[in-house]
Amino acid sequence: DQQVKQNSPSLSVQEGRISILNCDYTNSMFDYFLWYKKYPAEGPTFLISISSIKDKNEDGRFTVFLNKSAKHLSLHIVPSQPGDSAVYFCAASSLSGTYKYIFGTGTRLKVLA
Amino acid sequence: ETGVTQTPRHLVMGMTNKKSLKCEQHLGHNAMYWYKQSAKKPLELMFVYSLEERVENNSVPSRFSPECPNSSHLFLHLHTLQPEDSALYLCASSQVAGEAFFGQGTRLTVV
Repeated sequence: DQQVKQNSPSLSVQEGRISILNCDYTNSMFDYFLWYKKYPAEGPTFLISISSIKDKNEDGRFTVFLNKSAKHLSLHIVPSQPGDSAVYFCAASSLSGTYKYIFGTGTRLKVLA
Repeated sequence: ETGVTQTPRHLVMGMTNKKSLKCEQHLGHNAMYWYKQSAKKPLELMFVYSLEERVENNSVPSRFSPECPNSSHLFLHLHTLQPEDSALYLCASSQVAGEAFFGQGTRLTVV
């Protein structure tokens, strides 16, 4: 049973426009959520996180929104740049220290110049 | 540079070989992880070590054997692997309630 789901395997966006990547989770014990970016043959790079006490966290061009009632989070990238083209993973964890990060399957973002 | 270093970056091994993957973190973190990434699958958590004690073993076959001699080093010992074990193996580290930082990964091919 997949606890973290990214239902869109791929997304194409024009340069300068907004990219919206979505993620759903099923386990209500998750209270800390992260987004990672991954290039081929490299490890994931941390982008941004949010704890369940917030519904929005912003860092430059990246904003993560959390809807706890819907068990849904999204990553907004605006404006999108060609260098943003990569695979984006969402991950969920618990701040109670269970040391488990559960990842989704990833969404491949392609930003078209 | 994430502060987590994995060696080797690439490894080809036969099914009867024994090899080890190494991970080192320079971040002062107290938890270390092994993940496996296969094609079209989510990152699969294999093992978690907290303060050098294994706290998670996610039903991983015994042909994978982790070792954590201290809080900065983590090994994954491999023996009698199968071709389906070919994947990208990722090491990560974290503090409690923080983000995990990943190494570059080891691309393993079992022939």
